[in-house]
Amino acid sequence: KQEVTQIPAALSVPEGENLVLNCSFTDSAIYNLQWFRQDPGKGLTSLLLIQSSQREQTSGRLNASLDKSSGRSTLYIAASQPGDSATYLCAVRFGNEKLTFGTGTRLTIIP
Amino acid sequence: DVKVTQSSRYLVKRTGEKVFLECVQDMDHENMFWYRQDPGLGLRLIYFSYDVKMKEKGDIPEGYSVSREKKERFSLILESASTNQTSMYLCASSYGRRRETQYFGPGTRLLVL
Repeated sequence: KQEVTQIPAALSVPEGENLVLNCSFTDSAIYNLQWFRQDPGKGLTSLLLIQSSQREQTSGRLNASLDKSSGRSTLYIAASQPGDSATYLCAVRFGNEKLTFGTGTRLTIIP
Repeated sequence: DVKVTQSSRYLVKRTGEKVFLECVQDMDHENMFWYRQDPGLGLRLIYFSYDVKMKEKGDIPEGYSVSREKKERFSLILESASTNQTSMYLCASSYGRRRETQYFGPGTRLLVL
């Protein structure tokens, strides 16, 4: 069964620190992987999309990496800010049309 | 900017009622999706559509149906609402096949009493 796992479920970090969020998946035959942000009670906002042929993508303070052979992706957030507090979701498109989501990591940045 | 809108942010219905959730996107996307999101279970795909009048079952289609009469609109129907369908419902759309970003609406929080 194709699964996506995000550990830990929650993380608290002091403001200004760099941090890494983790995502692991069970099948290396993926089309792409996407990181989303979700604020409480809201929809999802796409942050970064990495195609299977890519190793990383960057947007501002965010950097996402992809290692298909080990079944892992990381989302690196530099110089964290209170506004970064949200739930971060990883989603993988395996060898079919559908996205499979992890259950997310709830991030709290402590001022 | 892509905009995906959902007809209601909050909805309260009674068991047995027929419920319609509407989703509209304004970017001429071919693909549209309905998910539900529950604590500890994450997002699960209910139905999706790659074209007008076309639909495919996702992972949890039981108790739901969909309609796509126009390209920009994708409706989720609960024929007879039940309490276990209380959830957050999220609509998404994307362009092209497989490689494109999905854009999400704000969600509809449905409570079935």
